[in-house]
Amino acid sequence: NAGVTQTPKFQVLKTGQSMTLQCAQDMNHNSMYWYRQDPGMGLRLIYYSASEGTTDKGEVPNGYNVSRLNKREFSLRLESAAPSQTSVYFCASSLSEGNQPQHFGDGTRLSIL
Amino acid sequence: GENVEQHPSTLSVQEGDSAVIKCTYSDSASNYFPWYKQELGKGPQLIIDIRSNVGEKKDQRIAVTLNKTAKHFSLHITETQPEDSAVYFCAEGGSGYSTLTFGKGTMLLVSP
Repeated sequence: NAGVTQTPKFQVLKTGQSMTLQCAQDMNHNSMYWYRQDPGMGLRLIYYSASEGTTDKGEVPNGYNVSRLNKREFSLRLESAAPSQTSVYFCASSLSEGNQPQHFGDGTRLSIL
Repeated sequence: GENVEQHPSTLSVQEGDSAVIKCTYSDSASNYFPWYKQELGKGPQLIIDIRSNVGEKKDQRIAVTLNKTAKHFSLHITETQPEDSAVYFCAEGGSGYSTLTFGKGTMLLVSP
C-alpha cells in the first residue's frame, strides 16, 4: 500500500500564481487533513474534511481553498500565491472522525518568490 | 484541544542514554495524546499514543505517561540509538469530534 501520496514533491512559484496540491490515500479513510509546517511552528491545520462531501476550516485557512474530490482525494489550492505561503505542506488521513491516528504523506515543499 | 506546549525544543544525548520529552495541555476535555516521529525529508509517523483512561503505555524502548491532574504527558525513550535522531511531535485531541493540536516539536540528536 502506498498510504498517503502527495504531488508534487517540490514546486517553485512566483507571487500571484495559482497552484493545486494533490493528495490521495488508499487506506479507505474517511477523514483527511491539510497542514503546513514552518520552522519553529510545528504543524498547523489549514483545512480538513471529516467525511466525503464536507470540509471545514482549521487554524490557518486564509489564502487557501480545498476540494474533497471523492473519498480518496483531497486537494489544496492556492489561488494567488504569496511569499508568506512558502512552507512544507502535509496531507494526512484518518480512519474516521474523532481522535484517531493520522497517517501523513511525505509533503510538498513549496517556495514562492 | 486548544494549546499544547512541548519541551525541550532540542535535546542531545549519548547513545544508550534515556531521553524524555514533555508536553503540557490546557483543555481538560482532551482525551487523546499521540506522539509522532519525523525524519528528515519525510512526513510525521505515529510511534505511540495514549488515551485518557490509561496512565502509561509501553512499546519496546518507547513509553508514554499521562498525568491528567497536572495536564501533562511525556515520551520516554530508553537505550537511545543514533537512528532515534529525529524531530518528535506531541499532539492532543479533545472529546467528541475534534482535530489534533500539535506541539512545536523537539529535535533529538543521539550521538554515537
